[in-house]
Amino acid sequence: EAQVTQNPRYLITVTGKKLTVTCSQNMNHEYMSWYRQDPGLGLRQIYYSMNVEVTDKGDVPEGYKVSRKEKRNFPLILESPSPNQTSLYFCASTSDRGYEQYFGPGTRLTVT
Amino acid sequence: RKEVEQDPGPFNVPEGATVAFNCTYSNSASQSFFWYRQDCRKEPKLLMSVYSSGNEDGRFTAQLNRASQYISLLIRDSKLSDSATYLCVVTPRGGSYIPTFGRGTSLIVHP
Repeated sequence: EAQVTQNPRYLITVTGKKLTVTCSQNMNHEYMSWYRQDPGLGLRQIYYSMNVEVTDKGDVPEGYKVSRKEKRNFPLILESPSPNQTSLYFCASTSDRGYEQYFGPGTRLTVT
Repeated sequence: RKEVEQDPGPFNVPEGATVAFNCTYSNSASQSFFWYRQDCRKEPKLLMSVYSSGNEDGRFTAQLNRASQYISLLIRDSKLSDSATYLCVVTPRGGSYIPTFGRGTSLIVHP
């Protein structure tokens, strides 16, 4: 079954404690991305990756890092989380042909 | 002006009604267009791609008007299960691929 998985699904952490949200896809897509979704603001792209070792900033990259060492994995790293990073995060994998996006189930992060 | 604009609604309609949403975009070089459906606190899921010739999938019809830079989604014979937020997505032509999402239109179908 084609899918995008994310872990953890829920996370409560404290300011400054480094965390990583994993994302994996089994569709052999080259393009992957991370979004955050906040009430009233919709989905905003954080980072994207066109292929292995190729990443670039989206609309709201501050406070985030990513890496793309393998095609299937695209982890999101928060080196020093802050309360304003409390949000719902989605990883997405994009079809190389038609640009349809497939989203992971989301990670609800709370930073206190 | 926002790049992709949608009426946030909510659109509150009875079962069986026909409802239409519009989405306007500002980048005339946009290439690909989609409608996604998102249920509360869940991930967005692709509903339909939108083609220049228009396309239909059961009760859902999507249209693209490049001249006026908008796309539309028509839902006929609304079901309770159609209650969700509908997101319009527009992607640029060529270069780096950064899709732009509208903020979504909320639909509530009531008995």
